[in-house]
Formats: sequence, structure tokens, C-alpha cells
Amino acid sequence: DVKVTQSSRYLVKRTGEKVFLECVQDMDHENMFWYRQDPGLGLRLIYFSYDVKMKEKGDIPEGYSVSREKKERFSLILESASTNQTSMYLCATKGGGEVTGELFFGEGSRLTVL
Amino acid sequence: GQNIDQPTEMTATEGAIVQINCTYQTSGFNGLFWYQQHAGEAPTFLSYNVLDGLEEKGRFSSFLSRSKGYSYLLLKELQMKDSASYLCAVRDSNYQLIWGAGTKLIIKP
Repeated sequence: DVKVTQSSRYLVKRTGEKVFLECVQDMDHENMFWYRQDPGLGLRLIYFSYDVKMKEKGDIPEGYSVSREKKERFSLILESASTNQTSMYLCATKGGGEVTGELFFGEGSRLTVL
Repeated sequence: GQNIDQPTEMTATEGAIVQINCTYQTSGFNGLFWYQQHAGEAPTFLSYNVLDGLEEKGRFSSFLSRSKGYSYLLLKELQMKDSASYLCAVRDSNYQLIWGAGTKLIIKP
């Protein structure tokens, strides 16, 4: 089974702090994604990566950056956290060459910015 | 713009059948997904439709009509553990996923 592990389930940070959210997967998947999930909205894509050191902006990249130094690890960085970044953050992976291409998600990191 | 619509919340009785609808308007179509998400947990993949018709997988079935921009997820013999949110997502012409806001399904005894 694919395992996608997010480093922190719950975080509380102050406005202006730098925040790191880590995601590690153990199935050698090429593609990794960061989403945020807010009540009443569909999942929104922040960034994705299809290979080591490669990154692409999603629909809402502003205020975020990412790092993919190793295939198994994809980090989301909030350079200066703001209250409107309070949300649930979901990491997901997808293998290449699969017919359906379904996503495998981590448990999520619930971030509160005060 | 691109849009996925699904009901916000539905209630059903244990042992019954429920149908969760999803309508979409997207730039192209390369498949429709249903995911289940229990409260506080990760979404998990349920089904994938790319051709018109019904795909059955145990108690769950998913239907697609591309001409109508419509899908439904059918859950039979409902169990309490089916209480969850059900997310509909469409893969567009750029192979990007567009997500609905999810339908919260409440099962009553």
C-alpha cells in the first residue's frame, strides 16, 4: 500500500512566522501535490512536482513555495504565515503511467495562524 | 470558468440506497473521480469513469454521462461507516483535476 506521511497533523503558528510542512511517500511516485482544503470549497492546488527539483504552480501559489530535493519528499513552505492561510493542507502522490491516475493522500496538516 | 456542483449535505437511513449527484462544466474531459473522506482523515479513491455508463464496485456504483456533464455515485445497503464526505473531481483537457466542494453524507440508524 502507498503510504503518504505528513509530518504534523496540527500546527499553531503566529502571523509572520515561517512554516514548513513536510510530506514523505514510500512508493517511488514521480508526481507529488500540495492542496489546501477549506469548508465549502473544493480542493485547491497550490503546487505540484513531477520530478526531483521540478515544481509547477497550481491555482493558488501566492504566499507559498515548495522544495523537492529527493523523490520521496515534497515540502510546502509558508515564508510569512498569514491568518488567511489557516487551512487543512493535504499532500498527495500519483504514479506515472497508470490508467486511472488516482491520487493517494496524506492524513492532512491542519494549520492555524493566529 | 470551470465548475463542479454537488449537493452540500444528504441524509439517508442505514440499509437504504442513496444517490449523490455531480454535474460539471470543464474545459475538456479526461475522466471523473469519486473520493471518500471520513472526518479528519485523508480522501481515498473510490471510482473512476471515463466512458459513459455504470461502473460497479461492490456496494458502490458510479455512473457517467459525458453529453450531459453528469455523474452520480450510488451507495447501496448503507452502513454507518459510510457516513463521510464524497468528493467529485474531473480531469480537464490539461489533465488537471477540478474538484467539487464535496457532499457530506449522514447515515441515521
